[in-house]
Amino acid sequence: EADIYQTPRYLVIGTGKKITLECSQTMGHDKMYWYQQDPGMELHLIHYSYGVNSTEKGDLSSESTVSRIRTEHFPLTLESARPSHTSQYLCASSESRALSNTIYFGEGSWLTVV
Amino acid sequence: AQSVTQLDSHVSVSEGTPVLLRCNYSSSYSPSLFWYVQHPNKGLQLLLKYTSAATLVKGINGFEAEFKKSETSFHLTKPSAHMSDAAEYFCVVSDRGSSNTGKLIFGQGTTLQVKP
Repeated sequence: EADIYQTPRYLVIGTGKKITLECSQTMGHDKMYWYQQDPGMELHLIHYSYGVNSTEKGDLSSESTVSRIRTEHFPLTLESARPSHTSQYLCASSESRALSNTIYFGEGSWLTVV
Repeated sequence: AQSVTQLDSHVSVSEGTPVLLRCNYSSSYSPSLFWYVQHPNKGLQLLLKYTSAATLVKGINGFEAEFKKSETSFHLTKPSAHMSDAAEYFCVVSDRGSSNTGKLIFGQGTTLQVKP
């Protein structure tokens, strides 16, 4: 099993609130990712990081921001949550070797904005 | 551009019967292909992966998939379904060109229902 952890697992917050979704991995992986998944839909990459101090936007535009100050930590922040942000957010990590590229996922954070 | 299509949004089988979840891909380069499973309220778990070694790939829990370049397919199979196999299954493609970014392309998922 992969050692990648997300908190909170479930969260209901009001519109306009600031929220940070935490993600930590203990595998020493350089690459980390955030995916967004609406119920019954495919996953979309919203952020990724090659390593410390590296952050990039993914394929799906997102109003969230991320930071990578430490290798094991990749938090995602919404400064002002809106109902349209209601979704599942999946954090993931992988080794740097291109051929394997196996990505390990956390259990997800279910966010509901009311 | 790469893409992946899961041909069935919902598959229902009886326990003990074979499982077939279909996946077709489109890729400009030699792809890496994956199947992930997601149980309700759980994270994604890797079932198996193909990275240009053997075309028949064996995964966990008795699943396997065969890479067929001529058909651009990577169908997932299991000889005998178990109740615990009921979940959402995602076929995923990663082009070698994009493998350094980890920009995986996910299919829309297939819900597998297993009836007693």
